[in-house]
Amino acid sequence: DTGVSQNPRHKITKRGQNVTFRCDPISEHNRLYWYRQTLGQGPEFLTYFQNEAQLEKSRLLSDRFSAERPKGSFSTLEIQRTEQGDSAMYLCASSFNNEQFFGPGTRLTVL
Amino acid sequence: QKEVEQDPGPLSVPEGAIVSLNCTYSNSAFQYFMWYRQYSRKGPELLMYTYSSGNKEDGRFTAQVDKSSKYISLFIRDSQPSDSATYLCAMPGNTPLVFGKGTRLSVIA
Repeated sequence: DTGVSQNPRHKITKRGQNVTFRCDPISEHNRLYWYRQTLGQGPEFLTYFQNEAQLEKSRLLSDRFSAERPKGSFSTLEIQRTEQGDSAMYLCASSFNNEQFFGPGTRLTVL
Repeated sequence: QKEVEQDPGPLSVPEGAIVSLNCTYSNSAFQYFMWYRQYSRKGPELLMYTYSSGNKEDGRFTAQVDKSSKYISLFIRDSQPSDSATYLCAMPGNTPLVFGKGTRLSVIA
């Protein structure tokens, strides 16, 4: 399967814990995006990378959130001191041009 | 006013019906328009991608763009139960996509 992959698919954690998600984009896609989706809403942009450079961050990305793409390939999204409001589906997408292809998402539940 | 408005539905139709899904947008800088299909608990899947005003057809799906009215549509002909999903319109902002809320569609056999 050469699509975008995300791990883990599901994560349940207790409030205050740190969590890290991984995204492996389609190979040769130079852009990688993170979105967050809550029930009944469309995905909302969090941040994006072109190669290893983080080019834009949404105001939704509080200082508890950090994302990296160290070698311009896979990316990680870390949430520190999780809150119940962080419960959502975290989606990763990659692109070479304007067409973004999404992974299956990581569903986070914060208890 | 949100940049992209989409009626969330839900929309329920009988099998074989023609479905019309619509979005309006406020930012005249949007040049590309996309429709994604999202099955429950899955990531969005790119369905159609259009650039210019007019129609684009792909099998049972037709995407229509009216830039003068800032209005886009997705038509599904001969709808099937397997079309039951949430349909999201999306437009590239600077680079990230701006999504509508999505319309939940159920096609009843």
